[in-house]
Amino acid sequence: GAVVSQHPSWVICKSGTSVKIECRSLDFQATTMFWYRQFPKQSLMLMATSNEGSKATYEQGVEKDKFLINHASLTLSTLTVTSAHPEDSSFYICSARQGSAQPQHFGDGTRLSIL
Amino acid sequence: KQEVTQIPAALSVPEGENLVLNCSFTDSAIYNLQWFRQDPGKGLTSLLLIQSSQREQTSGRLNASLDKSSGRSTLYIAASQPGDSATYLCAVRVGGQNFVFGPGTRLSVLP
Repeated sequence: GAVVSQHPSWVICKSGTSVKIECRSLDFQATTMFWYRQFPKQSLMLMATSNEGSKATYEQGVEKDKFLINHASLTLSTLTVTSAHPEDSSFYICSARQGSAQPQHFGDGTRLSIL
Repeated sequence: KQEVTQIPAALSVPEGENLVLNCSFTDSAIYNLQWFRQDPGKGLTSLLLIQSSQREQTSGRLNASLDKSSGRSTLYIAASQPGDSATYLCAVRVGGQNFVFGPGTRLSVLP
């Protein structure tokens, strides 16, 4: 089945650091990738949607200058949390979809802890 | 604004029981609905995808139904096993790209 790889799975860093998370579709071309955020015991909240070669579309309340998304190829999207602070600590999950009628496939998530 | 709810929030059953998880959504104009499983600290595993024109989908011991007009979907798990213990999320896709998730049902299957 379709596989989405997310890296790193866990990162701990100091406040003020920028952190990059990668999301790769390993066996299909992902025309659309999504980035979600999940707080403990809560459901996933969509942060942004990115189509290959286009600028990402951010959900209301998500700062585009803080969460930089790049979808430069059909198999790779990156999320960079710039100048991260403790309140950015969360579980970030990406997903990818091959076509509009296809299911989304999710990565295993990245647990980000900002000290 | 689309809202998705799931009932029950948590469920504990003995091994071997059949069970039903419920998902409701407020706006019937959905593109599709997808059921996922999430293990603690992990990402999501897609279980079943139902397009808006479909009524149900089956995979192994899982059966998902969709009633768009009433804004409901159910996930039926037959002959539950301890390995089925996880959080089950339903999500509806609305219009272009958006995927709205429910809060999930935490399932525990006791051996």
